[in-house]
Amino acid sequence: EAGVVQSPRYKIIEKKQPVAFWCNPISGHNTLYWYRQNLGQGPELLIRYENEEAVDDSQLPKDRFSAERLKGVDSTLKIQPAELGDSAVYLCASSRTSGGTYEQYFGPGTRLTVT
Amino acid sequence: KNEVEQSPQNLTAQEGEFITINCSYSVGISALHWLQQHPGGGIVSLFMLSSGKKKHGRLIATINIQEKHSSLHITASHPRDSAVYICAVYKGGSEKLVFGKGTKLTVNP
Repeated sequence: EAGVVQSPRYKIIEKKQPVAFWCNPISGHNTLYWYRQNLGQGPELLIRYENEEAVDDSQLPKDRFSAERLKGVDSTLKIQPAELGDSAVYLCASSRTSGGTYEQYFGPGTRLTVT
Repeated sequence: KNEVEQSPQNLTAQEGEFITINCSYSVGISALHWLQQHPGGGIVSLFMLSSGKKKHGRLIATINIQEKHSSLHITASHPRDSAVYICAVYKGGSEKLVFGKGTKLTVNP
């Protein structure tokens, strides 16, 4: 079974530029998560999708961040414009269903550096 | 105060040593994850447990629900065990996963 796929693995951009990250969850997993992980910290949830519906986006900075999960499969997270403080690892995870404690599986992450 | 606390923050060991990483939490949970993160890499789930003890190879995880405490043990540590180990809990009644800050383990040959 293929794991969670993310691309790109690394991205370096100048501030004020746009950037996009892509995630393909494990087949059959209806719940998809985007996390941001700052250096030396644990991941923090940005947004959670159940199928194509964003059910928790309370921590997503909506002035510059947007996300979509068309057709309830793969997802894109965008930042426009990027700021220096956005430098972090962006992790995608998926699980078979939400509710209860179904195990989350994580992708390799995208390390973003904003200069 | 963080809902999930790990100790120690950093740990250096010699190859072959027995290692213990601790996790305490202050909320009701339905399950607890131990995760491993290598530098530049993604996160791998080691264990998910809600009671008792689980073992996989040289790794052992235990949880005490009454004391709200879990431990991850590594026997016969090896340099390839060097990574950040993260404790995360599912808060009771929700799908939300709350993470500790991680313990950075370095095992020297």
